[in-house]
Amino acid sequence: QQQVKQSPQSLIVQKGGISIINCAYENTAFDYFPWYQQFPGKGPALLIAIRPDVSEKKEGRFTISFNKSAKQFSLHIMDSQPGDSATYFCAANYNTDKLIFGTGTRLQVFP
Amino acid sequence: NAGVTQTPKFQVLKTGQSMTLQCAQDMNHEYMSWYRQDPGMGLRLIHYSVGAGITDQGEVPNGYNVSRSTTEDFPLRLLSAAPSQTSVYFCASSYSRVYGYTFGSGTRLTVV
Repeated sequence: QQQVKQSPQSLIVQKGGISIINCAYENTAFDYFPWYQQFPGKGPALLIAIRPDVSEKKEGRFTISFNKSAKQFSLHIMDSQPGDSATYFCAANYNTDKLIFGTGTRLQVFP
Repeated sequence: NAGVTQTPKFQVLKTGQSMTLQCAQDMNHEYMSWYRQDPGMGLRLIHYSVGAGITDQGEVPNGYNVSRSTTEDFPLRLLSAAPSQTSVYFCASSYSRVYGYTFGSGTRLTVV
């Protein structure tokens, strides 16, 4: 049973375009929603995170949009660059400290 | 600071063998976790710990044991390796649950 559902599995975007990755969750107890970025051969690294008391958080070209009523959150990468090509994971947790990940999205940005 | 160090980086085991994957962190983090990464499955939580002497099961704990005798170390033991345990294993640590986890570089395990 996948607690955090992520889509799409893969995404191809032209340089300068907007990349959008979506996640949905069922457990309303989740209260922390991070996104991780992983390059081939490396461990994931924290990219940006949001709490459910805000609807949007922006850091540079990366924005998280959060819809609490729909139990959905998404990552937007503006002005996508070839260097953004990586696998992106959404995740969620609550006070048990279990950080649960989505299945990942492989992003390829072509020049 | 070395961050999170995992050893070995690569390992081949025969079915039925046992082994321990090592994980050490030098950031004085209380929270540590083990994940396995399989194609199309994302990162699945095996076991986690919120401090020395405290461990709990994650999503896929069967076939794995952990212990946390010190803050720095969180080894993962495979009791009797099976081909289904072929995967990339990541150890991660964090100051708290609402801070980002720092991941190690992974251990690629093949069970034949």
